[in-house]
Amino acid sequence: AQSVSQHNHHVILSEAASLELGCNYSYGGTVNLFWYVQYPGQHLQLLLKYFSGDPLVKGIKGFEAEFIKSKFSFNLRKPSVQWSDTAEYFCAVNAGYGGSQGNLIFGKGTKLSVKP
Amino acid sequence: ETGVTQSPTHLIKTRGQQVTLRCSSQSGHNTVSWYQQALGQGPQFIFQYYREEENGRGNFPPRFSGLQFPNYSSELNVNALELDDSALYLCASSLAPALNTEAFFGQGTRLTVV
Repeated sequence: AQSVSQHNHHVILSEAASLELGCNYSYGGTVNLFWYVQYPGQHLQLLLKYFSGDPLVKGIKGFEAEFIKSKFSFNLRKPSVQWSDTAEYFCAVNAGYGGSQGNLIFGKGTKLSVKP
Repeated sequence: ETGVTQSPTHLIKTRGQQVTLRCSSQSGHNTVSWYQQALGQGPQFIFQYYREEENGRGNFPPRFSGLQFPNYSSELNVNALELDDSALYLCASSLAPALNTEAFFGQGTRLTVV
């Protein structure tokens, strides 16, 4: 079955530290990959997406992610985090699960706490 | 703001009851997907509606059902509520049911079953 694994449940960093959140998926075919962020009390927002082309994708707020097909990975990075990045981050894949396209399989999420 | 609105924001129901949750999709979007997010988990796909027809379903029992209306708004109905149905229910709309499409999420409905 298709699945998405996020390696860290909770990450605590100080401001200006670098961030890398791991994401692996299990599916051998064509996939489209996403990172969503959920700030406290807010809706899920798209950070970035990979459909095709350059495997290094840049998103909003200085985030980027690298798609490594051979490793089935799509790790999220940010060189220097800010207190305002405190949120929960979800990796997701769209691979036609459940007989339809356009729906997402999510990982369990990684909670990021940034200390000022 | 995504333009996807859900109502109500919070709801408390008793085990065995039925509940209806509502979602208005973003303007121009004809596809609505519903997700269940249990505490400490990622959202889990329930089903998708495209042009008023169910267009794919996740691993949820038939007591979870839905509708999509001509204006593309949608309802999620859950019958015979169980305690484990307590979760945040998310609605997402998109331009089309395609692999390379972005989904826009509403703020969700927090359902508590007691």
